[in-house]
Amino acid sequence: GAGVSQTPSNKVTEKGKYVELRCDPISGHTALYWYRQSLGQGPEFLIYFQGTGAADDSGLPNDRFFAVRPEGSVSTLKIQRTERGDSAVYLCASSSRDRGSGGTEAFFGQGTRLTVV
Amino acid sequence: ELKVEQNPLFLSMQEGKNYTIYCNYSTTSDRLYWYRQDPGKSLESLFVLLSNGAVKQEGRLMASLDTKARLSTLHITAAVHDLSATYFCAVTTSGTYKYIFGTGTRLKVLA
Repeated sequence: GAGVSQTPSNKVTEKGKYVELRCDPISGHTALYWYRQSLGQGPEFLIYFQGTGAADDSGLPNDRFFAVRPEGSVSTLKIQRTERGDSAVYLCASSSRDRGSGGTEAFFGQGTRLTVV
Repeated sequence: ELKVEQNPLFLSMQEGKNYTIYCNYSTTSDRLYWYRQDPGKSLESLFVLLSNGAVKQEGRLMASLDTKARLSTLHITAAVHDLSATYFCAVTTSGTYKYIFGTGTRLKVLA
């Protein structure tokens, strides 16, 4: 597809369960981001990948959150022992590496709405 | 820590009117972005502003950047109902790809 694809679009899980959220970036984009957006708020940075490695994971709230991108394309955000406070929309975005004069805005997926009950 | 603030948070305006949304940021930034978000949808990129004095226009929207004042504006000309959405600004700083978003401005254009 032409855009960033995220699955599932909605996920309802019970407190304490483990969830995985998937992101398929735009083909050729080496940079991939995960953000979390709570109702009425702006997106909050979680983690940034350049290629396969996490270049910046300073936004992950605690060690229950983990993300991987083993082949430099698809990424999975993993949340262990989910809590009700984890409920939010999880957005994935990708951009090209080149930060030349043209600018490289991030293109966002539709998000996964996670509800922890 | 880089902080980004937008005002107003909510804006209700009549069709045909002009208005400006403001985005202030707290430390030196190398790029500023404007995004639009419709309810239940993802973010759509509107503008990328790279340097002091940059101005970009698309339709009824015009964005500008003053890096000395650490201020960007999004000006709406002759608003129409289709512009109703939430508008976010975001900044990145040199050496990092991390986008820091503002709180958003929820715009409602009344027919």
